[in-house]
Amino acid sequence: DVKVTQSSRYLVKRTGEKVFLECVQDMDHENMFWYRQDPGLGLRLIYFSYDVKMKEKGDIPEGYSVSREKKERFSLILESASTNQTSMYLCASSFSWTSGMDETQYFGPGTRLLVL
Amino acid sequence: DAKTTQPPSMDCAEGRAANLPCNHSTISGNEYVYWYRQIHSQGPQYIIHGLKNNETNEMASLIITEDRKSSTLILPHATLRDTAVYYCIVHQTGANNLFFGTGTRLTVIP
Repeated sequence: DVKVTQSSRYLVKRTGEKVFLECVQDMDHENMFWYRQDPGLGLRLIYFSYDVKMKEKGDIPEGYSVSREKKERFSLILESASTNQTSMYLCASSFSWTSGMDETQYFGPGTRLLVL
Repeated sequence: DAKTTQPPSMDCAEGRAANLPCNHSTISGNEYVYWYRQIHSQGPQYIIHGLKNNETNEMASLIITEDRKSSTLILPHATLRDTAVYYCIVHQTGANNLFFGTGTRLTVIP
């Protein structure tokens, strides 16, 4: 079974703090994704990565950065947390379509972040 | 990615088959139909996907109409643990984003 794990289920931070969210997958997937989910807005893609050290902006990258130093690990960084970044953060991974493998995205359990 | 339309909510009696419909009338030839579900406060769980043929796995069956403009997810024997929001998504090969709409909230009733 595919396993995508996230470092925390719940996190409370203060405005202005630097926040790190970690995601690890064990399926040797090339692609990794960070989404946020808010009521009424569905899932929105923040960043994705298709290879080590590679990253692409998604639909809402402002206020976020990412790091992918190893294939299995993808980190989301909030440089200076703000209250409007209170949300559920979801990590996902998949094979790349260029690999010829099934592209299904598999999600982690989510991190619910509250910024005070 | 093509837009999908799902009923906002459905009920199903425990032990009965749950049939969840989805319309995707603007789907194009290289777009797959994916189904995920999300139980409260958890990450989305992959269920099944297909291109044009019907598919079955240990969780569910997916029936896609011949014109591919609609599909139905079937949970053959619903249990209380199947209560969740079910999302139908059409996804193009090679596209990065998954567009989750509002889904169908399925409630399985004892």
